[in-house]
Amino acid sequence: RKEVEQDPGPFNVPEGATVAFNCTYSNSASQSFFWYRQDCRKEPKLLMSVYSSGNEDGRFTAQLNRASQYISLLIRDSKLSDSATYLCVVSGSSASKIIFGSGTRLSIRP
Amino acid sequence: NAGVTQTPKFRVLKTGQSMTLLCAQDMNHEYMYWYRQDPGMGLRLIHYSVGEGTTAKGEVPDGYNVSRLKKQNFLLGLESAAPSQTSVYFCASRIDGENIQYFGAGTRLSVL
Repeated sequence: RKEVEQDPGPFNVPEGATVAFNCTYSNSASQSFFWYRQDCRKEPKLLMSVYSSGNEDGRFTAQLNRASQYISLLIRDSKLSDSATYLCVVSGSSASKIIFGSGTRLSIRP
Repeated sequence: NAGVTQTPKFRVLKTGQSMTLLCAQDMNHEYMYWYRQDPGMGLRLIHYSVGEGTTAKGEVPDGYNVSRLKKQNFLLGLESAAPSQTSVYFCASRIDGENIQYFGAGTRLSVL
């Protein structure tokens, strides 16, 4: 079993729709959680950190469920520019323990 | 502010050739990482460094060596390239105490 698992997609949704992804992790001792965005042939960039109480940044909402060991990302009122691959990242206390999911591909259609 | 800079951006090698990928960061970050990204595999850690003069193996270190002689630079070497090393290589850095990584633009390597 992979340490961090994501549905690879692709999710193909119309502009203006709401879309949500989940990511599950296997290590219950994981401490920090993030969503990164990666555009085609580009480097990953931090989208948002994920906090225990849940957090929102504009149209994006991230949630953490420690009991079930998953994090989620909700995108409201999706834009064409949201088309990208979204990477779930889980980290522990060790310098090397930053684990990336394989990513979920999102495509927004006009 | 350049952030994390990788050179070269593209390279084609023949099997058995050697090369060095350079990663430079100007953010005074202690930690630096080398990843490879292959389709469907996500980012896999090759080697990392927690400070100048120190390096450690990651998940997929075989066939690669690294050096961190200066805090701002992290070099990844391929001594004898193999087709299995065809990939996109990303360097990342972060500050101690914070797990947010900053990535370079990547190096696309093809080994024929």
